[in-house]
Amino acid sequence: DGGITQSPKYLFRKEGQNVTLSCEQNLNHDAMYWYRQDPGQGLRLIYYSQIVNDFQKGDIAEGYSVSREKKESFPLTVTSAQKNPTAFYLCASSMKSNLNQPQHFGDGTRLSIL
Amino acid sequence: AQKVTQAQTEISVVEKEDVTLDCVYETRDTTYYLFWYKQPPSGELVFLIRRNSFDEQNEISGRYSWNFQKSTSSFNFTITASQVVDSAVYFCALSEGRTNAGKSTFGDGTTLTVKP
Repeated sequence: DGGITQSPKYLFRKEGQNVTLSCEQNLNHDAMYWYRQDPGQGLRLIYYSQIVNDFQKGDIAEGYSVSREKKESFPLTVTSAQKNPTAFYLCASSMKSNLNQPQHFGDGTRLSIL
Repeated sequence: AQKVTQAQTEISVVEKEDVTLDCVYETRDTTYYLFWYKQPPSGELVFLIRRNSFDEQNEISGRYSWNFQKSTSSFNFTITASQVVDSAVYFCALSEGRTNAGKSTFGDGTTLTVKP
């Protein structure tokens, strides 16, 4: 079945450590997105990519980095500069980066600080 | 700037009751799309419906119905005869602008609990 796979499901970070969240899709979608979700809040856009080898900052990009070397992969690195990384992270993709395309989401990664 | 407001943080109903989730949006664009997503306890968001700014027809899909009113900038979602499986967080989202790269602005969500 086609879909989006995020791994790991749970991740723990030590102080000063960078961690990378994986996102893979086999839907042949062009656009991919990373969101952060905090308790009782909506989704806030971290980074998005419309095409391979290109990505743009979202609303809360500070302390995060991404790469898009392959169409199916869009890993997110939470760097030590992100002082409050504890949250639920969701990866999404859409067929095209047009405003009328719904997004398909992964199951999410829950990141906590040790 | 675009904004989506879901004023109801939490709603609790008893099974078989009807429930309406409110969504109010702000945008300066004349072309935009509205979405509803469901987030069950497992975490992933599931797309429910899309509506464009030029189509104000209401839509019904089984027990779900949506009421889009441009005059009040609202896109409300009604579940008829609610079931326990409807318990989830529901998000309303807005995409605007022809070159907005498919980005959506999400509301803060409404947590619906349906009790047996």
